[in-house]
Amino acid sequence: QLQESGPGLVESSQTLSLICSVSGGSISTRTHYWGWIRQPPGKGLEFIATIFQSGTAYYNPSLKSRVAISIDTSKKQFSLKVFSVVAADAGVYYCARQSGSYWFVADWGQGTLVSVSS
Amino acid sequence: VVTQEPSFSVSPGETVTLTCGLSSGPVSRDHYPSWYQQTPGQVPRTLIEITDSRSSGVPDRFSGSILGNKAALTITGALADDEATYYCCLYLRFGVSVFGGGTKLTVL
Repeated sequence: QLQESGPGLVESSQTLSLICSVSGGSISTRTHYWGWIRQPPGKGLEFIATIFQSGTAYYNPSLKSRVAISIDTSKKQFSLKVFSVVAADAGVYYCARQSGSYWFVADWGQGTLVSVSS
Repeated sequence: VVTQEPSFSVSPGETVTLTCGLSSGPVSRDHYPSWYQQTPGQVPRTLIEITDSRSSGVPDRFSGSILGNKAALTITGALADDEATYYCCLYLRFGVSVFGGGTKLTVL
């Protein structure tokens, strides 16, 4: 099970920090990655980043300069930071468990809504 | 860019095929196409995991394939409950996947 947590509202130009807590399974699995996907209001899904238990991470090239993903296996959590937030960063952020071999999303979190204020 | 039909309409009981293309070339099994269903306000649901492998609990009226140069999702005998937006996702390289813009399917 995956559960996102975050501020709900972030000011423009500030940093958005999100946490995904993993329960019911091992975050240290060698068969899956842990990822973040977002969905702006009324729009489609966008892959942001994914990370392995070792810390190996991959990023959407269009977002790579403004985001950072990390993992804390001792806390069974992985995190996402979005720097210099703009209005276009608003939306629902999902954390996900991805197949490490074939990259499909095996499990989704419930999503957390992020709004951006100016 | 991953391309999908923006919208599609099907009558109940009919069969519909949604497609997923890649602007840079043909889609193959090496892109590990996956498909997701999302109804308004809900979390996406994984339907097809790797080209044609149904996720656990997904009815067999949903099937995935490669048709020509595209990945395809076929719904055989569409039901009213199948009205949703369907997203495909392709693996490109170095751990990076890209979602298509989604196809809004209307069943009426």
